[in-house]
Amino acid sequence: KAGVTQTPRYLIKTRGQQVTLSCSPISGHRSVSWYQQTPGQGLQFLFEYFSETQRNKGNFPGRFSGRQFSNSRSEMNVSTLELGDSALYLCASSSDLISSGNTIYFGEGSWLTVV
Amino acid sequence: DQQVKQNSPSLSVQEGRISILNCDYTNSMFDYFLWYKKYPAEGPTFLISISSIKDKNEDGRFTVFLNKSAKHLSLHIVPSQPGDSAVYFCAASVQGAQKLVFGQGTRLTINP
Repeated sequence: KAGVTQTPRYLIKTRGQQVTLSCSPISGHRSVSWYQQTPGQGLQFLFEYFSETQRNKGNFPGRFSGRQFSNSRSEMNVSTLELGDSALYLCASSSDLISSGNTIYFGEGSWLTVV
Repeated sequence: DQQVKQNSPSLSVQEGRISILNCDYTNSMFDYFLWYKKYPAEGPTFLISISSIKDKNEDGRFTVFLNKSAKHLSLHIVPSQPGDSAVYFCAASVQGAQKLVFGQGTRLTINP
């Protein structure tokens, strides 16, 4: 069974630009969530989508957005990039609410560097 | 306001001994807890989880203990192996939501 796949793995962008990151969840998983990891703030929840609807949202500015398609694939977008957006962006998937029989699996991440 | 805290940034343990990683939380609404292991440049790998209705869960070399009254959980790894060297994160959830709150991580080094 293929894991969570994220593309691209590495990218460099200039301040003010926008970026789109893509995530393919594990087959059969309908929930996709996104996290940002930085050295200073650690791992922080961005948002979660389930059946194409945003179900949960973290404390990030509106420059961070996402969407989910009917095949459960998800994209996240960051507009007007700032230097502080340089981070590892992680996508995770699960079939639904986590429990003893269901957990969240992470992809390898997309490394974004803003210069 | 850090709701999940891992107060030890690093831990060094001899191969074959027990590794104990600790995690404290402040939000009493958390009812599901997970431990992840992370290597550099990779995504977190799920290790083990525990529901608040239990106080212990075991999976092979990994055991997680939950003390709800103290709002404390710990991960025990026995015996520790060199491949266990990584950063370990504890995470918490409310009612099974995918909105995980992570601790800052503990870097575990297993010495031969």
